[in-house]
Amino acid sequence: DAGVIQSPRHEVTEMGQEVTLRCKPISGHDYLFWYRQTMMRGLELLIYFNNNVPIDDSGMPEDRFSAKMPNASFSTLKIQPSEPRDSAVYFCASTPGGSRNEQFFGPGTRLTVL
Amino acid sequence: ELKVEQNPLFLSMQEGKNYTIYCNYSTTSDRLYWYRQDPGKSLESLFVLLSNGAVKQEGRLMASLDTKARLSTLHITAAVHDLSATYFCAVDKYGGSQGNLIFGKGTKLSVKP
Repeated sequence: DAGVIQSPRHEVTEMGQEVTLRCKPISGHDYLFWYRQTMMRGLELLIYFNNNVPIDDSGMPEDRFSAKMPNASFSTLKIQPSEPRDSAVYFCASTPGGSRNEQFFGPGTRLTVL
Repeated sequence: ELKVEQNPLFLSMQEGKNYTIYCNYSTTSDRLYWYRQDPGKSLESLFVLLSNGAVKQEGRLMASLDTKARLSTLHITAAVHDLSATYFCAVDKYGGSQGNLIFGKGTKLSVKP
């Protein structure tokens, strides 16, 4: 299995620009999670989906952030407009659910907003 | 609000020594997760502890869970340099298997020769 795939791996943009991060979960996994990791705040859950439906978006910091999952094999996290404080590593993770509910993480996207 | 606290946050060890990392959490939960993260890399699942008294071992690492004390430990035996990484514990926000994980701040382990 290829694991969770994220793109791009690195993104550098200027303040005010729109940023779109992409994720392909492991095939057969019903849950998909978006996390943000910074030195100051650690690892934070932003939003997660079950069967393509957003379940809990309470971690999404502001209206500038939005996430979609149009099908079982693709999700996007969009920031519009971006700000320097959005600079972080964004991880996508997926899990098949069930009793273990073990999450498998993608390689992450390192976002730098200038 | 659920809190997941790890200690220590930084740990410098000599090769061959033993040590324990502690993870305390503030809600009732019957499962706990341990992850490893190498610098600049993603998180790798180490252990999934599914019940009170659960103990899992992989190589020089052993994890245990005491749900009554709301405590998990990650014990390192005879540390080697390859174990240098940051270790995170995580608990489900709602105490079950909803998948909404709250992570501790991580313990950065450095094993020196």
